[in-house]
Amino acid sequence: DIQMTQSPSSLSASVGDRVTITCRASQGISSWLAWYQQKPKKAPKSLIYAASSLQSGVPSRFSGSGSGTDFTLTISSLQPEDFATYYCQQYNSYPITFGQGTRLEIK
Amino acid sequence: EVQLVESGGGLVQPGGSLRLSCAASGFTFSSYWMSWVRQAPGKGLEWVANIKPDGSAKNYVDSVKGRFTISRDNAELSLSLQMNSLRAEDTAVYYCARGGFSDAVWDYWGQGTLVTVSS
Repeated sequence: DIQMTQSPSSLSASVGDRVTITCRASQGISSWLAWYQQKPKKAPKSLIYAASSLQSGVPSRFSGSGSGTDFTLTISSLQPEDFATYYCQQYNSYPITFGQGTRLEIK
Repeated sequence: EVQLVESGGGLVQPGGSLRLSCAASGFTFSSYWMSWVRQAPGKGLEWVANIKPDGSAKNYVDSVKGRFTISRDNAELSLSLQMNSLRAEDTAVYYCARGGFSDAVWDYWGQGTLVTVSS
């Protein structure tokens, strides 16, 4: 199975900050990586697929990059509604696996 | 508007069975891979199973193989998950999700249904 490791596990930041979350795969996954945002008691929301393609309707302050084993999700200027937990997910091979999540909190 | 509405969750004893359903609307259901993804209380996301648009291929995470069965009825616009031999570690919110970009990248999710396995 491909293990996905996110860092940091939690992060405190302020509105307006630039934030980067990293995701590392235990083996190469090309660009078969997605990012999701989840708020408490809500279903996950798709942000990015194919490592860097923005899902329709997602604000342009979100961006993704990387390929192979190392990936990043960047939020260019944090907004109040961005405080949530973020998950990366590989879909290179079965079983599909997620990172453990990064909790983004208000400083 | 795309909608996915899960039902069928509840409290079940270890070793018991439960059948989850997901009613789909607002899109051509028969054109999309569909998945079940779960989340144990306070934990992260775990993919459980998916099924091809025509139902001819199914994939499962190892921990549920032989116990869970995913199925779909394209005429009824519904996705199901039959869960047998349930264990405490199956306790989770179960989400139905649409594979919008591939077999396993999900663009729409249901609100989830809670399954609790406890005596």
